[in-house]
Amino acid sequence: QSALTQPPSASGSPGQSVTISCTGISGDVDGYTPVSWYQQHPGKAPKLMIFEVSKRPSGVPDRFSGSKSGNTASLTVSGLQAEDEADYYCCSKAGSSASVFGGGTKLTVL
Amino acid sequence: EVQLVESGGGLVQSGGSLRLSCVASGFIQTYWMTWIRQAPGKGLEWVANIEQDGRHTYYLDSVRGRFTVSRDITRGAVFLQMNDLRAEDTAVYYCARHARYRFDFWGQGTLVSVSS
Repeated sequence: QSALTQPPSASGSPGQSVTISCTGISGDVDGYTPVSWYQQHPGKAPKLMIFEVSKRPSGVPDRFSGSKSGNTASLTVSGLQAEDEADYYCCSKAGSSASVFGGGTKLTVL
Repeated sequence: EVQLVESGGGLVQSGGSLRLSCVASGFIQTYWMTWIRQAPGKGLEWVANIEQDGRHTYYLDSVRGRFTVSRDITRGAVFLQMNDLRAEDTAVYYCARHARYRFDFWGQGTLVSVSS
């Protein structure tokens, strides 16, 4: 159950866009791709931001978007805001019934 | 809206046992449920899944044989029995609702500390 690979850090100024990559994504399952992204502020529980590569749960700003190319998924945060500073984790399927997370990326808003 | 509340964490000596509970307000009966942990200063790590009916469970290699996940469908609760605890099991343990390979609701977590 190897972890997915993410850069340890990323940064951008307010208003800019930043993209975080996640390599090692597994293949499709029953016609959909099991890639999700989570935001975690210090001392808080993670929050689902993106699922099935590019779908946003209700309440997540459209500044957050997801994509995938080959075995690499990406999370893009556009129009960076101070409150976007957090750790971000990707997650995908591992084997038949397990999950695996990336190592996490600390996003700093300069 | 689903709220998940974990309990049962604490300080235990190496080789000891703990039983974590996760009680849901809101609908979890037709969903898999998952335990995920986070060691201090580290990233998230998937630990275990349990299917809707509780008959099928899946584990991280390093906990298989020591941890057991179960659920009480009528009470809307999920449990994690942890035996033979090791220092490397020290972490905040979260329960989460597993909706088709995404974790859409999370509890606040409960801290397990294993002293060697």
